[in-house]
Amino acid sequence: NAGVTQTPKFQVLKTGQSMTLQCAQDMNHEYMSWYRQDPGMGLRLIHYSVGAGITDQGEVPNGYNVSRSTTEDFPLRLLSAAPSQTSVYFCASSYSKFKVVIDNSPLHFGNGTRLTVT
Amino acid sequence: DAKTTQPNSMESNEEEPVHLPCNHSTISGTDYIHWYRQLPSQGPEYVIHGLTSNVNNRMASLAIAEDRKSSTLILHRATLRDAAVYYCIRHSSSNTGKLIFGQGTTLQVKP
Repeated sequence: NAGVTQTPKFQVLKTGQSMTLQCAQDMNHEYMSWYRQDPGMGLRLIHYSVGAGITDQGEVPNGYNVSRSTTEDFPLRLLSAAPSQTSVYFCASSYSKFKVVIDNSPLHFGNGTRLTVT
Repeated sequence: DAKTTQPNSMESNEEEPVHLPCNHSTISGTDYIHWYRQLPSQGPEYVIHGLTSNVNNRMASLAIAEDRKSSTLILHRATLRDAAVYYCIRHSSSNTGKLIFGQGTTLQVKP
């Protein structure tokens, strides 16, 4: 069982470069989300999606774009990387039918992407 | 505010029980309480969740206060592998999926 797969595991970018962090899940989960985690801090929600074609902003959405064209994939795009975006990024998914099951469905996390912007 | 309140850190001795508290005084009647833990250099993993009744699984027990304003994660016999950051979060369908993590509690387990 693959679960939630994030690629790449590590990435180094120069300021101003763009890139896409990939997240895929094979559990037919409707809910997917992106978090960032800075050293010594908890997880902060960037964007989330309750189903294909639906996305919404979390706590720290600035500088990031997302789209959800399929149930399986939820890529996170950095259009112009900045040093402040150096962080570990986690993707998570949860079963959610018509949103009402979110509160009773555990989140499944990927292993993270460690991003450094110089 | 959907965030919960937890102590920053706790210590425990190996083989002893650990009680990790969480305050969620603004919880609504339909919010579930979920606990996750994050081992070093790994993504968070689900531990346990509940609504009103106490819950047990192979990893831990969850005790929820009668007024639901607080809960306690119980590790019955701490092992060195339980050293992690433990997060308590509210799952609320009224937030339509905006699941907010707090700082969590860093648990140290001493041999």
